[in-house]
Amino acid sequence: DTEVTQTPKHLVMGMTNKKSLKCEQHMGHRAMYWYKQKAKKPPELMFVYSYEKLSINESVPSRFSPECPNSSLLNLHLHALQPEDSALYLCASSQTPASSYEQYFGPGTRLTVT
Amino acid sequence: AQSVTQPDIHITVSEGASLELRCNYSYGATPYLFWYVQSPGQGLQLLLKYFSGDTLVQGIKGFEAEFKRSQSSFNLRKPSVHWSDAAEYFCAVGARTGGSYIPTFGRGTSLIVHP
Repeated sequence: DTEVTQTPKHLVMGMTNKKSLKCEQHMGHRAMYWYKQKAKKPPELMFVYSYEKLSINESVPSRFSPECPNSSLLNLHLHALQPEDSALYLCASSQTPASSYEQYFGPGTRLTVT
Repeated sequence: AQSVTQPDIHITVSEGASLELRCNYSYGATPYLFWYVQSPGQGLQLLLKYFSGDTLVQGIKGFEAEFKRSQSSFNLRKPSVHWSDAAEYFCAVGARTGGSYIPTFGRGTSLIVHP
């Protein structure tokens, strides 16, 4: 299984809502990543988890809260988002943090904040 | 800091024609270089990577790329394009950061394939 799955595929939320994005992989990878991608732009790194611990936070606003409950699962909790947070949110994994150059990406969650 | 430049926002080719997508990088040491492809509504897929050794790298889906240190380039090529190759292509450079090699992506080149 070389797949990274993300749910939901689409999410529409108001600025006062709380929602969560979910990412799952069963490849035994020990590094997982969240990216934000705006239309016609490259992905921007948000967070990196290495061995289930947060290792990189690219100065992301606190309204985004990542969580890694176990080595297969990565969540992104969303609260009080702004319309400019609307984007495609991509999850990725790599075998180890040292092999972060070879990441496997999920299809993404298309988030719209109204 | 490392950076990647993809000078072409869009490239249009006819099906069956050859393809070259340009990528220039800036990095002080020997770079780790990658090409990713993103089909509409999908995540990114790694096409190929260069770490060291042979400067001509073969990837999946019939793609290849050539590393030219003198030109700081890592251009992607394919001899005959298929309609299914229409996608966004990202060049990336991976610099070592605390034991990781997080890729820094270029802005992307959108490939349009005409029948």
